This record gives sequence, C-alpha cells and structure tokens, in this order.
Amino acid sequence: GEDVEQSLFLSVREGDSSVINCTYTDSSSTYLYWYKQEPGAGLQLLTYIFSNMDMKQDQRLTVLLNKKDKHLSLRIADTQTGDSAIYFCAESPTTSGTYKYIFGTGTRLKVLA
Amino acid sequence: EPEVTQTPSHQVTQMGQEVILRCVPISNHLYFYWYRQILGQKVEFLVSFYNNEISEKSEIFDDQFSVERPDGSNFTLKIRSTKLEDSAMYFCAIRERGQYEQYFGPGTRLTVT
Repeated sequence: GEDVEQSLFLSVREGDSSVINCTYTDSSSTYLYWYKQEPGAGLQLLTYIFSNMDMKQDQRLTVLLNKKDKHLSLRIADTQTGDSAIYFCAESPTTSGTYKYIFGTGTRLKVLA
Repeated sequence: EPEVTQTPSHQVTQMGQEVILRCVPISNHLYFYWYRQILGQKVEFLVSFYNNEISEKSEIFDDQFSVERPDGSNFTLKIRSTKLEDSAMYFCAIRERGQYEQYFGPGTRLTVT
C-alpha cells in the first residue's frame, strides 16, 4: 500500500546544513512535496519536485529525488533557528485521480544556536 | 499563494455532539480537501471535493462525516456525533485549476470530551 517514511528527529547547529530524508512506496507519484509546520501553525508549502526531475534548487533549499530507490531528500543550507519546525514530505499518487496527498510521519528539526 | 482561513481555530465539544468546521478560501478554487492530524501522528487524508461532489474519501470518512459547500464560498466538514477519537487537528486544503500543489489553512483543533 501507499506509505511514506521519515526519520523522526534531526538536530543541527546553526549555520550547518540539514538533510531531511524521506522514502515513499508509490512509484506512480508524479509530484513530491515538502511542507513545514511550525508550532501551532498550519502546513506551509516549501517546495515540490516533479518525478522526471533529479534535483530542484530554490534559494537555501535543495530537493534531491532518486526515483529508482524512491528516496527524496530536502537539504537546507545555512540552517537558522527559524528553521526549527516539523518537516513533512508528501507524495501525490497519480492512481488517485484527485491528487490527494499521502504524508510522511514528519521530521522534527531542532536548530541549536 | 492562495489564502485559506478556517474557523473556529479551536472547538471543544462533548462526545455525541455535532460539530461543523469551516474553511473559507479567499478566491475561487475548484478542488477542496480535508485532512486530519491526531496529536503526534501523521496527517491523514479524509476527503476531496470537486464540483460540489465528493470525488474521493478515505476509510476514516465514514457515515458520521459529511462535507458541503452550501453557499459557494464556505466549505464545511460536519461530524454528526463526535467520538473521543475524533479529537485532532483538522486541515482544509485547496488546489487551483491546472496546479497540483495544495495550500493549507491554519487548522481547527477539535477537542472531544
């Protein structure tokens, strides 16, 4: 069945790079997404990647996609304390005609000053 | 970025009571979704709604749940007889025509006592 997995916690020092990993199971997914959730807030779309791409860069964010291994990663360069949040990856299987999302468990990123 | 508001931000209700959660997109979007997030768990898909009809629903979305867009603006999720296990954060999301990414509201925290 459809499943998306992430590691639960990541702790980095301010100024270092953070890499958040995600694995998914549905090879039909056309788009894969990264969302950020700050405490008490909703889900903020950070970036997304189309399945025919290997990499996408957007300012401090770099998304890498290994379609063969069904592995997605989000790299945050020069991590700041304001980046502390929960990061969710999500896949959108094309088998679902409505493009619903299947979310991962979320990775809690803690940035140490 | 499309804007979505949700009301109320927090609802406390007694078991067996009916609740209505509201989602108000700022502009005219075609595709609507409800997701829920039980504390500490994944964000789960509930239902998608298009052209005034349910287009897909999950196993969670049983007969106790219903959705409608009564006035062409508000998009509502009704839970007829709440149970303790309905306590969760409920997120509305919208998707524009021709786009695949979804934009989420800030959520409604539902507490069933």
